Amino acid sequence: EVQVVESGGGLVQPGGSLRLSCAASGFTFSSYAMSWVRQAPGKGLEWVSAISGSGSSTYYADSVKGRFTISRDNSKNTLYLQMNSLRAEDTAVYYCAKCNRGNSAYNAIDYWGQGTLVTVSS
Amino acid sequence: EIVLTQSPGTLSLSPGERATLSCRASQSVTSSYLAWYQQKPGQAPRLLIYGASSRATGIPDRFSGSGSGTDFTLTISRLEPEDFAVYYCQQYGSSPFTFGPGTKVDIK
Repeated sequence: EVQVVESGGGLVQPGGSLRLSCAASGFTFSSYAMSWVRQAPGKGLEWVSAISGSGSSTYYADSVKGRFTISRDNSKNTLYLQMNSLRAEDTAVYYCAKCNRGNSAYNAIDYWGQGTLVTVSS
Repeated sequence: EIVLTQSPGTLSLSPGERATLSCRASQSVTSSYLAWYQQKPGQAPRLLIYGASSRATGIPDRFSGSGSGTDFTLTISRLEPEDFAVYYCQQYGSSPFTFGPGTKVDIK
């Protein structure tokens, strides 16, 4: 059974940093691209970032480019999102998600975690 | 960046009725890399359709997707009680891989 489980969310002050982790199981992790998608309270989905299965290609939304870094450790079946210079508007539930067809990030998302809440507030 | 617009914002229908949801892109979506997701309150989204018209694993055949270029449609042929939810389209043909704002399908 495919599972992706996020951790690392919490309360952080504006300008602070946080690193999210996502533990994956039930599939060959290195063979699939992965994504982060967020959802602010009561709002719609916002795509944040994606990474190819090998980790060689990364992609970012304009709203987080230069502040967030996506990475993966295929030996640990774990995806990361390093978030720096956090702003109030980054407050959201952050979902870790698996892409549905192989190594490329140019794919739909077929499995989602339950999300981890990040709150940016003083 | 490709901007996706979904209409209507809210669709009020009764069980058994047909639902037609629209997703329009600000520029052509590469290779019809367009997906549809369903989200219920308190739950993660679920993939319904990818590649504009391919049903994901386990999705009932009352859900169908169509379209190409800049205009895409999700059709639910006969609404079941469990289908009342918010539906999002996403394009993944061009980074950033943007989502539309969603269409809420609620019970009339």
